[in-house]
Amino acid sequence: GQQLNQSPQSMFIQEGEDVSMNCTSSSIFNTWLWYKQDPGEGPVLLIALYKAGELTSNGRLTAQFGITRKDSFLNISASIPSDVGIYFCAGPNSNSGYALNFGKGTSLLVTP
Amino acid sequence: IAGITQAPTSQILAAGRRMTLRCTQDMRHNAMYWYRQDLGLGLRLIHYSNTAGTTGKGEVPDGYSVSRANTDDFPLTLASAVPSQTSVYFCASRLSSGANVLTFGAGSRLTVL
Repeated sequence: GQQLNQSPQSMFIQEGEDVSMNCTSSSIFNTWLWYKQDPGEGPVLLIALYKAGELTSNGRLTAQFGITRKDSFLNISASIPSDVGIYFCAGPNSNSGYALNFGKGTSLLVTP
Repeated sequence: IAGITQAPTSQILAAGRRMTLRCTQDMRHNAMYWYRQDLGLGLRLIHYSNTAGTTGKGEVPDGYSVSRANTDDFPLTLASAVPSQTSVYFCASRLSSGANVLTFGAGSRLTVL
C-alpha cells in the first residue's frame, strides 16, 4: 500500500512556540487529512484538504496540501498545553474500500 | 450523542481464548473499519466493510475475522488470541465511499497473556 512518512517522530516544546510537522507519500493523494489523538481516546479529525495547493486553517492550526500532491504540512501556532497528543497525517487507500493510510504519528509534548 | 461505541474498553485475555470486540455506530454510515494501534507502528487497517453484507481484508488481517450483518454493527473476532495481538483496537466509520473522512471510536485495549 501507499507509504506515508511523517516527521518528526516527536517534539518537546515550550508553551507559546510554533510547531511544524510534515508528511510525504510514495504516491499521489487526492485528499490529505490531519488527525489528533488525545491520550486514551480515538483520533479526531482536525483538518481535511481536498485540492493541491490548498491552505486551510482551523483556529491556531494551518495545514497545506502540497502542490505535488505527495506531501502535506501541519503548523500549530502559539502552542498551549492542551495541544499535547499524537498528530497523524492520513490519505485514502485506493486498495481497501476508501480506508485511510496513516503516518506513524508525531508525538507532541508542551511544557508550561 | 451520535457516534461509535466500542466494547469492552479494556480486556485481559489468556492466549488461545476466543474474543469478540464489539463496535456499534448510530450515524447510519455505510462503511466501517477496524484498525490496530501499536507503539511506533501507527494505525494499521485490519478489515473493512463498504456496506452491510460485504467485508474485505486490510493490511494485517491474519488472526482476525469480521462480519457485517447490518449497517450498525461490525464485530471483530480473534478466534484464538496470541500475545502479538496485544494492542489498542479502533473501530471507525464513514458515511459513503465518496467521502474520505473517518470517525473513530474510543478504542478497546486488549492484552493477551
